[in-house]
Amino acid sequence: DVKVTQSSRYLVKRTGEKVFLECVQDMDHENMFWYRQDPGLGLRLIYFSYDVKMKEKGDIPEGYSVSREKKERFSLILESASTNQTSMYLCASSLLGGQPQHFGDGTRLSIL
Amino acid sequence: AQSVTQLDSQVPVFEEAPVELRCNYSSSVSVYLFWYVQYPNQGLQLLLKYLSGSTLVKGINGFEAEFNKSQTSFHLRKPSVHISDTAEYFCAVSPPGDRDDKIIFGKGTRLHILP
Repeated sequence: DVKVTQSSRYLVKRTGEKVFLECVQDMDHENMFWYRQDPGLGLRLIYFSYDVKMKEKGDIPEGYSVSREKKERFSLILESASTNQTSMYLCASSLLGGQPQHFGDGTRLSIL
Repeated sequence: AQSVTQLDSQVPVFEEAPVELRCNYSSSVSVYLFWYVQYPNQGLQLLLKYLSGSTLVKGINGFEAEFNKSQTSFHLRKPSVHISDTAEYFCAVSPPGDRDDKIIFGKGTRLHILP
C-alpha cells in the first residue's frame, strides 16, 4: 500500500518565520503535489513536481516555494509566513500524470 | 480547460437511506474520473475510479458511480448509508497520461448522516 507521510499533523508558527513542510512517499512515484484546503474553497494546487529537481506552479504559488532533491521527498516552504497562510496542507503523490493520487493525512498549520 | 462541478455542498440523509452525490464535468478530451472521501482530520482516500471500460464502477465501502458521457456526469451512489459514511466527498477529473497532467478537484460535498 502506498504511504505518504507528512512530517507534522499540527504546526503553530509566527508571522514572518520561514516554515518547512515535509512530505515523503514510499512507492517510487514520479509525481508529487502540494495542496491547501480551506472551507468552501476545496483543494487548491500550490505546486507540483513530475521529476527530481523539477517543479511547476499550480493555481496559487504566491508566497510558497518547493524543493525536490530526492524522488521520495517533496518539501513546501513558506518563505515568510503570513496569517492568510493558516490552512490545512495536503501532500499527494501519483505514479504518472492523471493517475490516482495518494494523500498524506495533512498538516494543519496555524500562523499567529 | 477542464472543470468539475459538485452540485451540492451539503447533503443530509437518514441512516439506512439511499444517497446520490452529483458531479458534472466539462472537458474536450477523454478523461479519467475519480471520487475521493475525506474523513474528519484525515487526508483524501480514493473511493473509486473510472479509467475506461464499464461505465458502472464499484468502489470501497459499498459505493458505486456511473459514468455518463452524454450528460458529462459521474454521480456517486450508495443504496444504504451508515453513520460511518459521514465525510466530505470530492469528485475529480484528469486527462489521461501526460506526465505533467493534473487532477482537477470539485469543491466537495459534505454528507451528513442523520440518526
